[in-house]
Amino acid sequence: NAGVTQTPKFQVLKTGQSMTLQCAQDMNHEYMSWYRQDPGMGLRLIHYSVGAGITDQGEVPNGYNVSRSTTEDFPLRLLSAAPSQTSVYFCASSYLSGTRNNEQFFGPGTRLTVL
Amino acid sequence: SQQGEEDPQALSIQEGENATMNCSYKTSINNLQWYRQNSGRGLVHLILIRSNEREKHSGRLRVTLDTSKKSSSLLITASRAADTASYFCAKVIQGAQKLVFGQGTRLTINP
Repeated sequence: NAGVTQTPKFQVLKTGQSMTLQCAQDMNHEYMSWYRQDPGMGLRLIHYSVGAGITDQGEVPNGYNVSRSTTEDFPLRLLSAAPSQTSVYFCASSYLSGTRNNEQFFGPGTRLTVL
Repeated sequence: SQQGEEDPQALSIQEGENATMNCSYKTSINNLQWYRQNSGRGLVHLILIRSNEREKHSGRLRVTLDTSKKSSSLLITASRAADTASYFCAKVIQGAQKLVFGQGTRLTINP
C-alpha cells in the first residue's frame, strides 16, 4: 500500500493564480481531511469529508474548495492564491467506527509559497 | 484556542530523563490522540485514548486522560535523542467526526 500520497511536494504560485493540491489514499478510508501548518504552529483544519459526496468546513475554509467524488481522492483547490496561504498542507485519512474517528494517516505534505 | 492549550510550548531535557507534555480542551470529547512530527515531516500517530479510558501505554509512552479536568498528558520515559520532535494532541469532539489539533510541544532531547 502507498498509504496517503500528496502531489506536488513543492509549489510556487503568484498572487491570484489558482491550483489544485492532490491527495489520494489506497486504504479505503471513509474520512479524509486537509490541514495547513504555518511555521511553529499546530495544524488547522481546512475541510474534511466523511465519505464520497460529503464534505464539510473546518476551522479555516475561506479561499479553499474541496470535492470528494471517489473514496480514494480528495483534492484541495485554491481559487485565487494569496500570500496568506503560504503554508505546508497536509492531507490525512482514517477509518470511521460509526461516528468515532480513529488513527489518522498523514501524507508527506505540500509546501506552498505564494508570491 | 477554542479547543484548549498544550503546555509547555517547548521542553528541553537531558537524554535519559522523562518528558511530560500536557493537553487541555474545552468541550466534551469522543477520543483524544497524540501525534509526533519530526522536523519537516508528516505526523505519525502515537496513541489514541477514548473518553471512557483513563490510561494507556505503548512502549515508553504513557497517556492519561482526566475528563473531569478536561486534560490529558503524554509521558515519555527514559528519553532518547531520537525522541526530539514536536508532539501534538488532537481531539475528536463529541458529536463530530473531525479532529482538531493543538499547537504542540517542541521537545528537544540533549545528549
